[in-house]
Amino acid sequence: DIQMAQSPSSLSASVGDRVTITCRASQNIGRYLNWYQQKPGKAPNPLIFAASSLQNADPSRFSGSGSGTDFTLTISSLQPEDFATYFCQQSYITPYTFGQGTKVEIK
Amino acid sequence: EVQLVESGGGPVKPGGSLRLSCAASGFTFRSYIMNWVRQVPGMGLEWVSSISSGGDSMKYADSTKGRFTISRDNTKNSLYLQMNSLRAEDTAIYYCVRLISEYGNYSYFDQWGQGTLVTVSS
Repeated sequence: DIQMAQSPSSLSASVGDRVTITCRASQNIGRYLNWYQQKPGKAPNPLIFAASSLQNADPSRFSGSGSGTDFTLTISSLQPEDFATYFCQQSYITPYTFGQGTKVEIK
Repeated sequence: EVQLVESGGGPVKPGGSLRLSCAASGFTFRSYIMNWVRQVPGMGLEWVSSISSGGDSMKYADSTKGRFTISRDNTKNSLYLQMNSLRAEDTAIYYCVRLISEYGNYSYFDQWGQGTLVTVSS
């Protein structure tokens, strides 16, 4: 199985900060990497697919980059509604696997 | 509006069985690969199983293979998960999830239900 390692597991940031979350795959997955946002008590919501393509409804402050084994999710200017947990996921091959999550908290 | 509504969760004893259902609406159900993804509350996400649009191909996580069976009824726009020989480690919220493909072959989970909680405990 492909292992997905996210870092950090949590971070504290202020509104307006630039935030970067990384995800590393245990083998080359090309650009088959997706990002999800999850708020407490809710199902995950897709943010980015194919490493850098923004899901239709998402604001442009979110961006993704990377290919192969190393990927990044960036929030350019953190907004109050962005405090949540973020997961990466590989769709290269089943079993589809997720990173352990990064919880973004208010500083 | 796309809707996925799970049901069938609840408490069950170790070794017991449970059948989850997911009622889909707002899209052409028979055209999509469907999945079950689970999450221990407050913890990470684990893909459980997927089924092809026509229902003729199923895939499972190793942790559920031989115990769980995914199925669908395209005439009823419904997805199912039969769970047998349940263990404490199967305790989780189970989400019904649609898989979509963009740019030909880049797939991701684009629609999620609200989840149903399965608790396996004696």
